[in-house]
This record gives sequence, C-alpha cells and structure tokens, in this order.
Amino acid sequence: EVQLVESGGGLVQPGGSLRLSCEVSGFTLSSYWMSWVRQAPGKGLEWVANIKQDGSERYYVDSVKGRFTISRDNGKNSLYLQMNSLRAEDTAVYYCARDALVAGSDYWGQGTLVTVSS
Amino acid sequence: QSALTQPASMSGSPGQSITISCTGTSSDVGGYNYVSWYQQHPGKAPKLMIYEVSNRPSGVPDRFSGSKSGNTASLTISGLHAEDEADYYCSSYTPNTALDRVFGGGTKLTVL
Repeated sequence: EVQLVESGGGLVQPGGSLRLSCEVSGFTLSSYWMSWVRQAPGKGLEWVANIKQDGSERYYVDSVKGRFTISRDNGKNSLYLQMNSLRAEDTAVYYCARDALVAGSDYWGQGTLVTVSS
Repeated sequence: QSALTQPASMSGSPGQSITISCTGTSSDVGGYNYVSWYQQHPGKAPKLMIYEVSNRPSGVPDRFSGSKSGNTASLTISGLHAEDEADYYCSSYTPNTALDRVFGGGTKLTVL
C-alpha cells in the first residue's frame, strides 16, 4: 500500500524557518518525481515545488523561489521542504505527493499545517 | 502563474448529472492532453479522479468522466451520489513556467 506521511509543521514567527518531511512507503521513491502542494485556509490548491528522481532538477512556484528548498533522500524514503524567511501568506496545509503522471500526482499524504504568525 | 478558471460552486440532486468546467488557454489546457482532476473532501487530502483528460485511475467509479474541447476541460459526474459532495480541482500541464503545472481555483459541489 502506497503511503506518504508528512511531519514537521507547526507555528513559526514571520521570518523564521521550518523543515517539512515526508516519509513514503509502499513504492520505490527513487523511481518517481515528487511534489509539494499547499492549501491556505479556506483556499485552493497550489503547486509549490517538485524534484526529479535523483534530485538533479528542482522547480518552484515563483512565490517561494529563493526561500524554499525541496530535497530528497531516497535511501531514507524521504522528501523534504526547507522553508526559510517564512511569511504570513505561507500559512497553509502542505501536502507531499507522488508524481506518477505528467504534471500531476496520483498519491498524496494527509498534509501538515504550517502557521506563520507572531 | 494564472490559475485555470472553474465555477466557484455547483449543485445537483442525487441521480442527476453535472459537468464542471475548467477553462485555460492554448498554452495549457488547449495545448496538451495533460489535464487532471482531483476530489477533496473537507479536511482530507486530494484524490486523483481523472488524468490525461479522460483516464480514470483504478478504483474511481465509472460515473466520473473527463473530456476536453478547445481550451476547456470538463469533469462529468453521471448520477450524483451524496458522497460526491466535495471540492473539485482541475490541473494542467503548462510549459510556460518553471513549475510545469497550474491548478484551477476549485469548484465546491453540493449534492442537494
């Protein structure tokens, strides 16, 4: 059974940092692109970043470029999102997702809530 | 990145059919057959319902179908069930941005 479990969310002050993790099981992580998607409270979904199987390519939505870094450790079956210089508008549930499709994801985690507030 | 355009809300009665539209441009929806649809119940993770415009993943009921005409993709639910009440999001490939995909704004479907 494919499973993705996010962790690392919480309350952080503006300007602070947070590192999200996504531990996967039930499939070989090294075979898939992976993505992070977020959803602000009461709002729609937004693709945030994705990363190639070997980590050699990474892409970001404009609003997080230079502040967020996506990475992975295939040996640990884990995906990460390092978030720096956090802003109130980064407040959202963050989902990790498996990219088995062109520009789309077939399996999603349950999400972890990040709240940026003083 | 501009979001694809979906109706904010729609409603239907059990047994009725409903079609949710997702309008983009020739640079996304109209240019490629890489449109996906996701269902999201409150407090839950999104679930893939349709991929590559009209393909259903294993386990998705066949009352869900997808299509595309020009720059508009559509999700049709034939014979609404109460459990179909959820938010629905389309997503499309677009090569115009570094992150090669964009979501629609979402449609809240109410089953009356």
